[in-house]
Amino acid sequence: DSGVTQTPKHLITATGQRVTLRCSPRSGDLSVYWYQQSLDQGLQFLIQYYNGEERAKGNILERFSAQQFPDLHSELNLSSLELGDSALYFCASTLGGTGNNEQFFGPGTRLTVL
Amino acid sequence: AQTVTQSQPEMSVQEAETVTLSCTYDTSESDYYLFWYKQPPSRQMILVIRQEAYKQQNATENRFSVNFQKAAKSFSLKISDSQLGDAAMYFCAYRGMEYGNKLVFGAGTILRVKS
Repeated sequence: DSGVTQTPKHLITATGQRVTLRCSPRSGDLSVYWYQQSLDQGLQFLIQYYNGEERAKGNILERFSAQQFPDLHSELNLSSLELGDSALYFCASTLGGTGNNEQFFGPGTRLTVL
Repeated sequence: AQTVTQSQPEMSVQEAETVTLSCTYDTSESDYYLFWYKQPPSRQMILVIRQEAYKQQNATENRFSVNFQKAAKSFSLKISDSQLGDAAMYFCAYRGMEYGNKLVFGAGTILRVKS
């Protein structure tokens, strides 16, 4: 158990809908990363937050957004969902935003868009 | 941009034998970190081993060791005395010193262990 929690574990929804994925980092970790794992794109970085502020952005679609709240949990919002958004979404956390810190991964949320 | 290449989509090894998974990467940075992650059928991402680029000594964690060749930008993983529990997808990953320190992953190698 990495100490990172993600809810829900599974999510099934329809095209055009909007969903929210939630991540709670390890106790004391300030930085949260979101990754998407799909058959087409592999594992790719979406976005990072550090202590409530966006720190880095990867290949995140404009239909996707994220935020980190004062209690440091993070949410990834996916809207106007398409079939191709079906994927496993991981959250990872580290103590700091840079430097030699291991990223601890949550169990992931499996999103299926029908 | 940094890229990570795993040229072996799938590998097989007999239980108790040794297998090597290959990884190459491309970067213009001189300081960075390299990782091998294991993803079993449960889909949990598990860190297997890490290597700091400034360290010449190859990292070792029990039955897992790496062969890090900085000049060749190569980072292979050797698994000794393979066990059934080693069967999984293995990802090679790069993390640079740029703002954010995101992980850049290879496409992965499926490792099958035969009894």
